[in-house]
Amino acid sequence: AQRVTQPEKLLSVFKGAPVELKCNYSYSGSPELFWYVQYSRQRLQLLLRHISRESIKGFTADLNKGETSFHLKKPFAQEEDSAMYYCALKTDTGFQKLVFGTGTRLLVSP
Amino acid sequence: DTEVTQTPKHLVMGMTNKKSLKCEQHMGHRAMYWYKQKAKKPPELMFVYSYEKLSINESVPSRFSPECPNSSLLNLHLHALQPEDSALYLCASSQSHSLDTQYFGPGTRLTVL
Repeated sequence: AQRVTQPEKLLSVFKGAPVELKCNYSYSGSPELFWYVQYSRQRLQLLLRHISRESIKGFTADLNKGETSFHLKKPFAQEEDSAMYYCALKTDTGFQKLVFGTGTRLLVSP
Repeated sequence: DTEVTQTPKHLVMGMTNKKSLKCEQHMGHRAMYWYKQKAKKPPELMFVYSYEKLSINESVPSRFSPECPNSSLLNLHLHALQPEDSALYLCASSQSHSLDTQYFGPGTRLTVL
């Protein structure tokens, strides 16, 4: 069965520090991985998807199939990055669905 | 219009009430979704509609009844709910039910008394 694990409930860093939000997945097929972000009082929105290989708001994420990981990184955190981050996996067979991890709250302090 | 809208924003209902949640998108998306999100938990998929047909029902109790009257609208009819059904109900849409980005609405905060 597919599963997404985000081991940290809360990650607290100072402004300007590097950030890495961890995500590991369990899935036997070829998954598509996403990072969604939810800022305070805003809707859930897509931040990154692995097939795009983009950098959004300074964030990057690389799919490592050997380690079954899709960690989200940013070299210099900003206060406005404070939000809830969800890693999600989309299955590639049958009726595809999005499976979310439990989320990591990132708190960036001045 | 590039947003998913949901009404109402907040809903309080008794266990004997019947109410409906509404979701609308005008992006031409042909897949629409209902998720349930409890406090401090990730969204959990409830239903998926693809081309106005129900394609996934994640073993949701029958007191939740989805409806897709047309490609832009998605309803969730509620009847005889329990207090534990109190949650944020999120609607999402995507171009199609495949490897497409899902766009989420702001949600309806439901409280069942």
